Amino acid sequence: QQQVKQSPQSLIVQKGGISIINCAYENTAFDYFPWYQQFPGKGPALLIAIRPDVSEKKEGRFTISFNKSAKQFSLHIMDSQPGDSATYFCAASSLRSNYQLIWGAGTKLIIKP
Amino acid sequence: GAVVSQHPSRVICKSGTSVKIECRSLDFQATTMFWYRQFPKQSLMLMATSNEGSKATYEQGVEKDKFLINHASLTLSTLTVTSAHPEDSSFYICSASDRGGYGYTFGSGTRLTVV
Repeated sequence: QQQVKQSPQSLIVQKGGISIINCAYENTAFDYFPWYQQFPGKGPALLIAIRPDVSEKKEGRFTISFNKSAKQFSLHIMDSQPGDSATYFCAASSLRSNYQLIWGAGTKLIIKP
Repeated sequence: GAVVSQHPSRVICKSGTSVKIECRSLDFQATTMFWYRQFPKQSLMLMATSNEGSKATYEQGVEKDKFLINHASLTLSTLTVTSAHPEDSSFYICSASDRGGYGYTFGSGTRLTVV
């Protein structure tokens, strides 16, 4: 019940296209859903996050869509650029679990020029 | 924004020696810091939760005598890998939050190679 399932494992998108990464969870106590971007040899960096009281959050080219009833959330990267090539992790946490992040398995995104 | 500084970024040590990794919150106080381990092409695995002024809480399967964590101040936590072996070679990352649990900032990671 603590798992966060992320798909796909890897993704290749043409420059200018839309990259979509999906995550699903079981624990309804989760109340915070961040996405992290990680470049090789670096620590993850917070990209965007959402709380379950909204269905969508947009920051620049990055959008989180959240479906509370389906217990799913996704990251959309519009106008994908080669610089977006990285590994993306979804995560979830809750006050009940002292905000410990439960991580998805990660998606390696490659943007082809 | 919040910055977490982690040093060293890379370290190579001989089997049997100990290595210390430092994690500092530069512009905020962190009562709690987290230590992760990441294997190639895998997700982050939480090793322990470091609390200022108290003993760290280790995840199941993590040897507390091998991975010593000290959180002596509100801005500094250290991870010491004792009696390192080649299987301890990995990418170690720390994190902390300046927003009460929402929005963790991560250090840049430490690549440990034990030869």
